[in-house]
Amino acid sequence: EVQLLESGGGLVQPGGSLRLSCSASGFTFSNYAMGWVRQAPGKGLEWVSSIRGSGDSIYYGDSVQGRFTISRDNSKNTLYLQMNSLRAEDTALYYCARPYSSSFFIRGSFDCWGQGTLVTVSS
Amino acid sequence: QSALTQPASVSGSPGQSITISCTGTSSDVGGHNHVSWYQQHPGEAPKLMIYDVTNRPAGVSSRFSGSKSGNTASLTISGLQAEDEADYYCSSYTSSSTLVFGGGTKVTVL
Repeated sequence: EVQLLESGGGLVQPGGSLRLSCSASGFTFSNYAMGWVRQAPGKGLEWVSSIRGSGDSIYYGDSVQGRFTISRDNSKNTLYLQMNSLRAEDTALYYCARPYSSSFFIRGSFDCWGQGTLVTVSS
Repeated sequence: QSALTQPASVSGSPGQSITISCTGTSSDVGGHNHVSWYQQHPGEAPKLMIYDVTNRPAGVSSRFSGSKSGNTASLTISGLQAEDEADYYCSSYTSSSTLVFGGGTKVTVL
């Protein structure tokens, strides 16, 4: 069974940093691109970033470009999101997600999602 | 990257068909066949219902279908059921190699 388990969320002050992790199991992690999608409380979905299975191709949404860094450790089956210079508007539930096919990259089509980890940016 | 435009709400009676629209531009919906649709029930993670405009993942009911015309994609739910009441989101690949979501549509079964 495919499972994604996020961790690392919490309360952080504006300007602070946080690193999220997503532990994957039940599939060959290195074969799949992975992504982060967030959802502010009561709001819609927003794509944050995606990384190819090999880790050699990465893209970011405009709102996090230059502040967030996505990475992965295929030996540990783990996806990361380093978040720096956090702002109040970054407050959201952060999901890691896997696309439907190993050949998919930035076309969305996320068919496996974790339960999310909540990040709250507030003083 | 501006969000794709979806109606805030759509409603229908059990057994009816409803259609949710998702309007973008030639740089996203109109220029690529990588439109997906997600269903999200309260407190749950999104569920992929349609990918690449018209394709259903294994296990998704055939009552859900997708289409596209120009810069607008659509999700049709046929034979509406109570369990279909949820929020629905579209997404599209963009020419900037990014992904953009719609604002979401709340479907109410009357």
